[in-house]
Amino acid sequence: DTEVTQTPKHLVMGMTNKKSLKCEQHMGHRAMYWYKQKAKKPPELMFVYSYEKLSINESVPSRFSPECPNSSLLNLHLHALQPEDSALYLCASSHPDGGRTGELFFGEGSRLTVL
Amino acid sequence: DAKTTQPPSMDCAEGRAANLPCNHSTISGNEYVYWYRQIHSQGPQYIIHGLKNNETNEMASLIITEDRKSSTLILPHATLRDTAVYYCIVRVGGSNYKLTFGKGTLLTVNP
Repeated sequence: DTEVTQTPKHLVMGMTNKKSLKCEQHMGHRAMYWYKQKAKKPPELMFVYSYEKLSINESVPSRFSPECPNSSLLNLHLHALQPEDSALYLCASSHPDGGRTGELFFGEGSRLTVL
Repeated sequence: DAKTTQPPSMDCAEGRAANLPCNHSTISGNEYVYWYRQIHSQGPQYIIHGLKNNETNEMASLIITEDRKSSTLILPHATLRDTAVYYCIVRVGGSNYKLTFGKGTLLTVNP
């Protein structure tokens, strides 16, 4: 199984809503990532978890709250978002050697629209 | 990590080789060259990586110049399904989780 599964594929939310994006992998990877991608732009790193601990936070606003409940799951909790947060949110995972090979496995993404 | 420079777009005829260039003149000795691609509406996909030797796998070949300041990704027989944005990324090896994407090259394979 070489898949990273993200749900939901599409999400529309208001600025006062609370929602979550979910990501799951069963490849035994111990590093998991959240990227944000705006239209016609490259993906931008948001967070990295290593062995279920947050290791990188790229100065992301607190309205985005990541969570890694176990080695297979990664969540991104969303609260009080702004319309400019509308984007494709990509989850990725990599081998437990700290991503040494540089090969990240990406999911298909969750497309978020904030009204 | 070193910056990379890629042409914003390229065209290629179906069945021909696609050669995608990348400049990384500030690369340092412990940095690898990685290539990913992103087909429209999908997540990025790893293609290949190398340090200083040329590399080949089932998807592509990677040619790195001797001074390591530039590289070329070669898709030997491009198909319509190879139409995608191709990202050249330079990254430190070892326990470094950061993979930073540049603007990439939009490769369009034409019938």
